[in-house]
Amino acid sequence: EDKVVQSPLSLVVHEGDTVTLNCSYEVTNFRSLLWYKQEKKAPTFLFMLTSSGIEKKSGRLSSILDKKELFSILNITATQTGDSAIYLCAVCGSEKLVFGKGMKLTVNP
Amino acid sequence: DVKVTQSSRYLVKRTGEKVFLECVQDMDHENMFWYRQDPGLGLRLIYFSYDVKMKEKGDIPEGYSVSREKKERFSLILESASTNQTSMYLCASTPHDRADIQYFGAGTRLSVL
Repeated sequence: EDKVVQSPLSLVVHEGDTVTLNCSYEVTNFRSLLWYKQEKKAPTFLFMLTSSGIEKKSGRLSSILDKKELFSILNITATQTGDSAIYLCAVCGSEKLVFGKGMKLTVNP
Repeated sequence: DVKVTQSSRYLVKRTGEKVFLECVQDMDHENMFWYRQDPGLGLRLIYFSYDVKMKEKGDIPEGYSVSREKKERFSLILESASTNQTSMYLCASTPHDRADIQYFGAGTRLSVL
């Protein structure tokens, strides 16, 4: 059975801290791994990773995939209160996405 | 911009009622999905559809059905709502050649009393 595990499930940090979110997976016919950010409503797309070892970057956020060890990390540097959200990791297998349980990040001023 | 619209943000229903959750997308996407999201459980796939009149069961289809009569609209139906179906329901869509970058609606928070 396909599985995506995120850790930690919740984290509280102070503004300016750096955080690392982990996502490990077991999926048949791996196609891609995705990160989403969910604030009060719809999840919004952050990154899609398909190749091992290539970092994707957007501002203070970056992500990398290790297809050999079957995991990905999402880094957020110099966190801000606006980074407070649930971060979802999902892996695309044959025909659908399998989501992890999500990681709740709280950034305090 | 892709727009996925869910008809209600909040809905309160009674046990045993028939409930319709509607989702409309404006990007001519072939694939549409219904998820529920619960604390500690994440997003779980209920049903999805590749095309008009086609449907596939997801991971937790029990107690639900769907309807896709038009390409842009995908409805989730709770035939007889129960309290354990209280949840956040999210609709998503993608073009036919990919299932990965999904565009989500704002969600419907359903409470069944």
